[in-house]
Amino acid sequence: DAGVIQSPRHEVTEMGQEVTLRCKPISGHDYLFWYRQTMMRGLELLIYFNNNVPIDDSGMPEDRFSAKMPNASFSTLKIQPSEPRDSAVYFCASTYGTAGNTIYFGEGSWLTVV
Amino acid sequence: LAKTTQPISMDSYEGQEVNITCSHNNIATNDYITWYQQFPSQGPRFIIQGYKTKVTNEVASLFIPADRKSSTLSLPRVSLSDTAVYYCLVGDIYNFNKFYFGSGTKLNVKP
Repeated sequence: DAGVIQSPRHEVTEMGQEVTLRCKPISGHDYLFWYRQTMMRGLELLIYFNNNVPIDDSGMPEDRFSAKMPNASFSTLKIQPSEPRDSAVYFCASTYGTAGNTIYFGEGSWLTVV
Repeated sequence: LAKTTQPISMDSYEGQEVNITCSHNNIATNDYITWYQQFPSQGPRFIIQGYKTKVTNEVASLFIPADRKSSTLSLPRVSLSDTAVYYCLVGDIYNFNKFYFGSGTKLNVKP
């Protein structure tokens, strides 16, 4: 299996622009997660889906962030408008069943907002 | 929510055994202990998981005492490629929103 695939790997954008991050989970996985990692706050869970349905979005920092999962093989995390403080690495991850199973992470999307 | 405490960093030399201890005094009955490894510029990667006593796989061992208030990740004979951040997670495996990554331990393996 190709693993969790994220795009873009790197993005530099100007403040105020819309940013869309994309994720393809591992086939057969029914859970999908979006994490954000910064030096100050470490790894934070933003939102997770089960069978394409958002289960908990309490980690989403504010209304500028939104996530969708239109089908089992695709998810997006959108930031509109972007701000410099959104600069971080955004990881998508997936698993099946329970957290007792391995959570597989993608390589991350490195976002810089200038 | 079981908060975890780990050393911020550790140094070791190639060929040594490394033990990283994680404290989780408030661990709940349904909580499992899981360790992840993260290399620079990569996403975290699962290492090992356990509930009690000892668990061993091809890369590490996990020691959990009877009271489960701490756990120790043991890496046998580390190499330079084991330089990474190691995260201890404690949480209910049926509730992902209670599965938090702590600050992690930066392991630096020297030649």
